[in-house]
Amino acid sequence: ETGVTQTPRHLVMGMTNKKSLKCEQHLGHNAMYWYKQSAKKPLELMFVYSLEERVENNSVPSRFSPECPNSSHLFLHLHTLQPEDSALYLCASSQDLEVPEAFFGQGTRLTVV
Amino acid sequence: GQNIDQPTEMTATEGAIVQINCTYQTSGFNGLFWYQQHAGEAPTFLSYNVLDGLEEKGRFSSFLSRSKGYSYLLLKELQMKDSASYLCAVINSNYQLIWGAGTKLIIKP
Repeated sequence: ETGVTQTPRHLVMGMTNKKSLKCEQHLGHNAMYWYKQSAKKPLELMFVYSLEERVENNSVPSRFSPECPNSSHLFLHLHTLQPEDSALYLCASSQDLEVPEAFFGQGTRLTVV
Repeated sequence: GQNIDQPTEMTATEGAIVQINCTYQTSGFNGLFWYQQHAGEAPTFLSYNVLDGLEEKGRFSSFLSRSKGYSYLLLKELQMKDSASYLCAVINSNYQLIWGAGTKLIIKP
């Protein structure tokens, strides 16, 4: 089993839908991250969790809501998204915040219609 | 502000050598990563530099000059499977990863 697993791999949702992205890491890491990757743009850090506590929120719209129930799982709850939110959403983990070498999941390709 | 600059796209020939440059301006420096990302896949770790100089790992090498805010990734004996995007990322003084937009490398036969 791979180190960081994301589901689903692909998601198409309407602007009025509610959906959730799931991330699971089997590496024993203490830090987990959500990134947004749009074409030809740098990775945008959305949320950071360390030991299940949120440590960073980079001015992300409230239509994105993270949840970290334990150190192995991370969710991104989505509601009333906009078409410009269509992107690849990547989950990553690292040993801890001070060792930020990131191990990435395969990502969820999200399309908002 | 903080930013990482790398070329948007490069083309090289199978069997040749290519150098992908990265310049950075960040609030402090605690290391630099290179990642490889094939289309539709997760970025995967290639190299990590924290001291000046060249780090060699098989066909791939990474160089760092902290005084110049500059790094490069050198790929030798290019293979078709090396066609991918290469992402440069710097760890700043707050241990945040600052990412470049990536360089798409196209390998031609």
